[in-house]
Amino acid sequence: ETGVTQTPRHLVMGMTNKKSLKCEQHLGHNAMYWYKQSAKKPLELMFVYNFKEQTENNSVPSRFSPECPNSSHLFLHLHTLQPEDSALYLCASSRRTNEKLFFGSGTQLSVL
Amino acid sequence: SQQGEEDPQALSIQEGENATMNCSYKTSINNLQWYRQNSGRGLVHLILIRSNEREKHSGRLRVTLDTSKKSSSLLITASRAADTASYFCATASNAGGTSYGKLTFGQGTILTVHP
Repeated sequence: ETGVTQTPRHLVMGMTNKKSLKCEQHLGHNAMYWYKQSAKKPLELMFVYNFKEQTENNSVPSRFSPECPNSSHLFLHLHTLQPEDSALYLCASSRRTNEKLFFGSGTQLSVL
Repeated sequence: SQQGEEDPQALSIQEGENATMNCSYKTSINNLQWYRQNSGRGLVHLILIRSNEREKHSGRLRVTLDTSKKSSSLLITASRAADTASYFCATASNAGGTSYGKLTFGQGTILTVHP
């Protein structure tokens, strides 16, 4: 148990659906992250929030929309996804950027 | 471009043997971290070594860092079947001249330890 909780664990959605991924941490961390992990590719950083401000958007398509309402919660809103967006989406947090990350268990997303 | 690159991509050993994984990177770093991932799960932090450190130990783990060669190695001694997992190095550096950091992961080494 890392202290970072992600829901749902699995998600199957059609290309026209809208869904949201949720991440929650009560570790008192100030930075939160979304990473994408696809088969045979390195872990890709998508978004970074530092003290609730978005400090990194790694050229992510607009069909992925992050939201950080407070330091403990992070959302990833999904709409009109493509089959190639199927992947494991991992949330992480850290006390400060550059420090060790605590990961959630991930959401395995399948886009049909 | 990818910062950390692990070598080998896959490693298969017998229980009790040592496992060594290497990581190379391209730019200057603040620190280098190693993570472990069991299949389909989140990553777990193993050890962090700062740019001014050369070696660090944690239990059966030993990490070295050579900033002149821009490389690091992770040694797992007396391996166990439970060590079977993917291992990733990640380099921490300040993003584009900003004051906040960015952690970039390599592709990982898949370690299989046979009982």
